[in-house]
Amino acid sequence: NAGVTQTPKFQVLKTGQSMTLQCAQDMNHNSMYWYRQDPGMGLRLIYYSASEGTTDKGEVPNGYNVSRLNKREFSLRLESAAPSQTSVYFCASSWVRGSGYNEQFFGPGTRLTVL
Amino acid sequence: KNQVEQSPQSLIILEGKNCTLQCNYTVSPFSNLRWYKQDTGRGPVSLTIMTFSENTKSNGRYTATLDADTKQSSLHITASQLSDSASYICVVSAPYSGGGADGLTFGKGTHLIIQP
Repeated sequence: NAGVTQTPKFQVLKTGQSMTLQCAQDMNHNSMYWYRQDPGMGLRLIYYSASEGTTDKGEVPNGYNVSRLNKREFSLRLESAAPSQTSVYFCASSWVRGSGYNEQFFGPGTRLTVL
Repeated sequence: KNQVEQSPQSLIILEGKNCTLQCNYTVSPFSNLRWYKQDTGRGPVSLTIMTFSENTKSNGRYTATLDADTKQSSLHITASQLSDSASYICVVSAPYSGGGADGLTFGKGTHLIIQP
């Protein structure tokens, strides 16, 4: 099993460009999440999907959109990238929503730089 | 506001020595507490999950303790190895509150360096 995979691993964008970060999991998990991690700060939730067909905003959703394409895939889109979105983005998945007694599995991350 | 505070921010110890990392939280109500290990350039990996009724939980050389009354947890690493060099993140879970939150509050982590 590959677990949680993310593409791309690295990306450099210019201000105003758009891109989509892809995430897929092969563990048949119901819930999926997108986080960003910045130096000196903890992981912050951008969006999550408790189950296929549902999405909810997290702590820092502005400037992002998500799509739960199917049970396996959850994508994050930046419509008009800004330098403030320079960060490392992690996708995660779990059997049920985050606060349940269940382990979250994280992907390897996407390192995004916006110039 | 729910908060998770970790100390120290960073720690350097010699290989073979023991160390203890601290996590204090104000999350209420409380569902469970997790410790993650994050190697440089990688995603976090779960070490332990503990509910309020579990005082101690071990995973190899890692032992987590929880005092739900004082809202404190610690992660003890025994006989440290070079591969223990990583950031250790404490995450506290509250029952689902709706409104877009997944109920998880992440600490900023402790950066641990093991020197040979």
